[in-house]
Amino acid sequence: AQKITQTQPGMFVQEKEAVTLDCTYDTSDQSYGLFWYKQPSSGEMIFLIYQGSYDEQNATEGRYSLNFQKARKSANLVISASQLGDSAMYFCAMREGHKEYGNKLVFGAGTILRVKS
Amino acid sequence: GAGVSQSPSNKVTEKGKDVELRCDPISGHTALYWYRQSLGQGLEFLIYFQGNSAPDKSGLPSDRFSAERTGGSVSTLTIQRTQQEDSAVYLCASSLALLDIQYFGAGTRLSVL
Repeated sequence: AQKITQTQPGMFVQEKEAVTLDCTYDTSDQSYGLFWYKQPSSGEMIFLIYQGSYDEQNATEGRYSLNFQKARKSANLVISASQLGDSAMYFCAMREGHKEYGNKLVFGAGTILRVKS
Repeated sequence: GAGVSQSPSNKVTEKGKDVELRCDPISGHTALYWYRQSLGQGLEFLIYFQGNSAPDKSGLPSDRFSAERTGGSVSTLTIQRTQQEDSAVYLCASSLALLDIQYFGAGTRLSVL
């Protein structure tokens, strides 16, 4: 069963507007972590934001925020005030909490974001 | 540099040859991970190291794949008798400790002709 689902293969957003990238996940664990990474055309995976399953507040990092709805098993990324440099592939990933899994990340298929000027 | 370093950035090889991919983690990071990114399979976990030990090798796609880590630092991923389906970008990541945030390198793009 697919553990991370990103339903938007591609998204467009106008510069300076906000955009939401969707992510739903599937796990039976109570302890897990959710991540968003950005992959520009250069190929490097850049860490953006992290949300732990026990965190009560939604995570925020600058223009990035994670809309965490635990009951719905969703962890959407919100980018405010989009910039041209935000154009990239965005991956949602999950780590299940058991150390025997070794911090393995399971990734979604990704969403390509294009920011229009 | 302070980030994860991978070499080479690009590798073209002939089918049947062996290749070695290198990863230099962030200094002080105890955990190191290898992933593969291909068009058909997306991002797949291959193996992780805690120190020099690899507790779980089940993500390696076949016995042609092996990895080692020495001195708790540099890791090498070796692919023997390369096949065309091995063509992919191989990404390395490191984290300060197990369960910490993983920071990725820029990857090695492997093309098997």
